[in-house]
Amino acid sequence: DAKTTQPNSMESNEEEPVHLPCNHSTISGTDYIHWYRQLPSQGPEYVIHGLTSNVNNRMASLAIAEDRKSSTLILHRATLRDAAVYYCILMYSGGSNYKLTFGKGTLLTVNP
Amino acid sequence: EPEVTQTPSHQVTQMGQEVILRCVPISNHLYFYWYRQILGQKVEFLVSFYNNEISEKSEIFDDQFSVERPDGSNFTLKIRSTKLEDSAMYFCASRTGGIKDEQYFGPGTRLTVT
Repeated sequence: DAKTTQPNSMESNEEEPVHLPCNHSTISGTDYIHWYRQLPSQGPEYVIHGLTSNVNNRMASLAIAEDRKSSTLILHRATLRDAAVYYCILMYSGGSNYKLTFGKGTLLTVNP
Repeated sequence: EPEVTQTPSHQVTQMGQEVILRCVPISNHLYFYWYRQILGQKVEFLVSFYNNEISEKSEIFDDQFSVERPDGSNFTLKIRSTKLEDSAMYFCASRTGGIKDEQYFGPGTRLTVT
């Protein structure tokens, strides 16, 4: 699986936007970019995924660089409940098992 | 909203004992997974299961581990002879099919081996 690089931690204030970066310079053309998060003492939770175009859903937006070597997860208005570890994961579309290979992720702290 | 459930939430066992961790995946899902997370460490893939057989397993998933889908609803992980280093959170996950499909994770079972 291609490697991703994320900052170890980030901090935000409640109700402010948060931009969580992820570098994946070795991404291949067939890799999807998936984001999951893990709230304290819970299992991982899907956030969003994309291939080339920017994506929006009810939880977040995903901005993908034109060369696809980096992406940014955007939480438009952080809440205390968004405090979690966020994982950026590349998934090869040519496979079938689509197992998730987690890195250390970014620990997001949200201040009230 | 459908969810993956896991039982028990916490299991304490003595070294050398067998444990079975149980999961009920979402009913129309076809792919099933077990992951584990040792305290303070990354979430690690153990095994994936599709069409009633293991489709991929990691190096962690040695002969002491086995998985089964005994009745079409439950998905179990058995550890035959537990070691201290098996102490971890074990997460079950499931998904429907393609790469665009998200994995749904259960709340986990905390396994403590003494």
